[in-house]
Amino acid sequence: KNEVEQSPQNLTAQEGEFITINCSYSVGISALHWLQQHPGGGIVSLFMLSSGKKKHGRLIATINIQEKHSSLHITASHPRDSAVYICAVRYHQGAQKLVFGQGTRLTINP
Amino acid sequence: DTEVTQTPKHLVMGMTNKKSLKCEQHMGHRAMYWYKQKAKKPPELMFVYSYEKLSINESVPSRFSPECPNSSLLNLHLHALQPEDSALYLCASSQVDGGPGYTFGSGTRLTVV
Repeated sequence: KNEVEQSPQNLTAQEGEFITINCSYSVGISALHWLQQHPGGGIVSLFMLSSGKKKHGRLIATINIQEKHSSLHITASHPRDSAVYICAVRYHQGAQKLVFGQGTRLTINP
Repeated sequence: DTEVTQTPKHLVMGMTNKKSLKCEQHMGHRAMYWYKQKAKKPPELMFVYSYEKLSINESVPSRFSPECPNSSLLNLHLHALQPEDSALYLCASSQVDGGPGYTFGSGTRLTVV
């Protein structure tokens, strides 16, 4: 069983819809990353969170440390948002290794 | 400069060839990483260098040989690879204490024939 669980695994939506991707982890962490990977491409770091909420453009990431849960939201989704979104955690302060979720494949249709 | 640059972007090599992947960053990060990613799977950590010294080797076969010649460069030397080693190889860098600047490169797509 993966220590970092994402849901849903696949998500298809229409352009303009509000998107939510969830990430749960099993033990306390130092930090959580949200990453984006377009088909055939490299990985782009979207957010690093240790508490609270961060916003960048149409992307919002939240984390609830007590519930061991994070969400990534996309407002006014666009076909260019189609990508795999990956949640990854770092388990303790100073840890270099990231533990990855299996990813959520998002498709936004025009 | 906030990028991790990987070269080449694509590589096709035979099972008897020797080749190298290169990674470069100028963000002052003193931790650098090699990841391997198979299709539709998350990245798997291979190696970590901290202050130019190998700190983590995730039991990677010896046909993969990492090298960190200085604080900005990371190489992965490849020899006698197998077709199952075909994958996307990603380099990343961060502050040694795992700070906010964890940055990935665009990867090298390797095909072993």
